[in-house]
Amino acid sequence: GAVVSQHPSRVICKSGTSVKIECRSLDFQATTMFWYRQFPKQSLMLMATSNEGSKATYEQGVEKDKFLINHASLTLSTLTVTSAHPEDSSFYICRGLAGPNEQFFGPGTRLTVL
Amino acid sequence: QKEVEQNSGPLSVPEGAIASLNCTYSDRVSQSFFWYRQYSGKSPELIMSIYSNGDKEDGRFTAQLNKASQYVSLLIRDSQPSDSATYLCAVNTDPSGNTGKLIFGQGTTLQVKP
Repeated sequence: GAVVSQHPSRVICKSGTSVKIECRSLDFQATTMFWYRQFPKQSLMLMATSNEGSKATYEQGVEKDKFLINHASLTLSTLTVTSAHPEDSSFYICRGLAGPNEQFFGPGTRLTVL
Repeated sequence: QKEVEQNSGPLSVPEGAIASLNCTYSDRVSQSFFWYRQYSGKSPELIMSIYSNGDKEDGRFTAQLNKASQYVSLLIRDSQPSDSATYLCAVNTDPSGNTGKLIFGQGTTLQVKP
């Protein structure tokens, strides 16, 4: 199957700093990337949908000024958590859409904010 | 509010038994249904997809869909300890199935005891 990579896989940062997470589709062009957040023992919560070359669509309750999403190319989408706080500590996962009902998850990024 | 409901478990079965995982969804226009397996600390991996009423079998896994009852299930035959994981039900609520936007249930934790 197709491969989606995420970098970094794990990051620890101080409160107030910004963290960028990269999501790359390695062998397909992802016109759409989905970003999810997962807290311990909870399900995946969709944060936003990004389409290449256009602004991301955020889900209700997700602060677009805090979670900046850029999808500048068909193989790269980035999520920047600005001014991170301990409550932002979570597992962030991207999912690339290769076609109708054909989608692939990245391995996830574990963010810990001290 | 479009919802996908699962019993969080844990569901405990002995090795070699059949594990039955259930999921209900609220949006009648949903067309695509997916079962993912997620090991602790990892991102979800796709096990099965099902689009039409009835059963779909793949190895030890059988997905069952009943759109009239808004119900989808996953059966795992000859359960193995390596099947112990959280199983996520996901529904594509886009009638065309093209957007790829999935709503996830909270997941059912399966424990297969040797």
